[in-house]
Amino acid sequence: QVLLQESGPGLVKPSETLSLTCIVSGGSIGSHYWSWIRQSPGKGLEWIGYINHSGTTTYKSSLKSRVSMSVDTSKNQFSLKVTSVTAADTAVYYCARERITVSGILIKHYYAMDVWGQGTTVTVSS
Amino acid sequence: DIQMTQSPASLSASVGDSVTITCQANQDITNFLNWYQVTPGKAPKLLVYDKSNLETGVPSRFSGSGTGTHFTLTISSLHPEDLGTYYCQQYDRLPLTFGGGTKVDLK
Repeated sequence: QVLLQESGPGLVKPSETLSLTCIVSGGSIGSHYWSWIRQSPGKGLEWIGYINHSGTTTYKSSLKSRVSMSVDTSKNQFSLKVTSVTAADTAVYYCARERITVSGILIKHYYAMDVWGQGTTVTVSS
Repeated sequence: DIQMTQSPASLSASVGDSVTITCQANQDITNFLNWYQVTPGKAPKLLVYDKSNLETGVPSRFSGSGTGTHFTLTISSLHPEDLGTYYCQQYDRLPLTFGGGTKVDLK
């Protein structure tokens, strides 16, 4: 059973950088896409972007200038950085695995998040 | 970005009721739609992928349907553990976008 666990500071000062790590246990980084998703207080889910095992990333365009993701396959973990944070970045941050099916050499991506971490609350405040 | 609109925003139902949640896209997304349940204190849970495929372990009382711009998630007989907020998510085009959520509670 694959489990994800987010870790990182719960409090970040405005204008500083938010850094989170997601540790993958019970399975490998493999061929999946690994996403970061957040939920601001009282709001819905917002997809931030994803990364794959080779480090290829895709970010939501409105966050692209401030977001970066990285992967460390040797540690089976991936990370998120958000620079120049403001109060609007206060949210519960989730890491999640994308659902795939593998048939021989063919991989079908569903862009559905089938395994999620519990989420970590990040507050931006001085 | 593709906008996803869910209705109703909230609903109250009794155990055993049939519940239907609607998700509308502002452009054709074919069948590229997933559904999730979010319960406070728990990790979000994938219920339905690819419009109508039940994720492994999801009870058969859940079903997804629709096409194009209009989709529905139906719970045929509400159980107490079904309470929470439900979100649709499209993957026709990046960025992946979610609906605003439908909160389901007990009447």
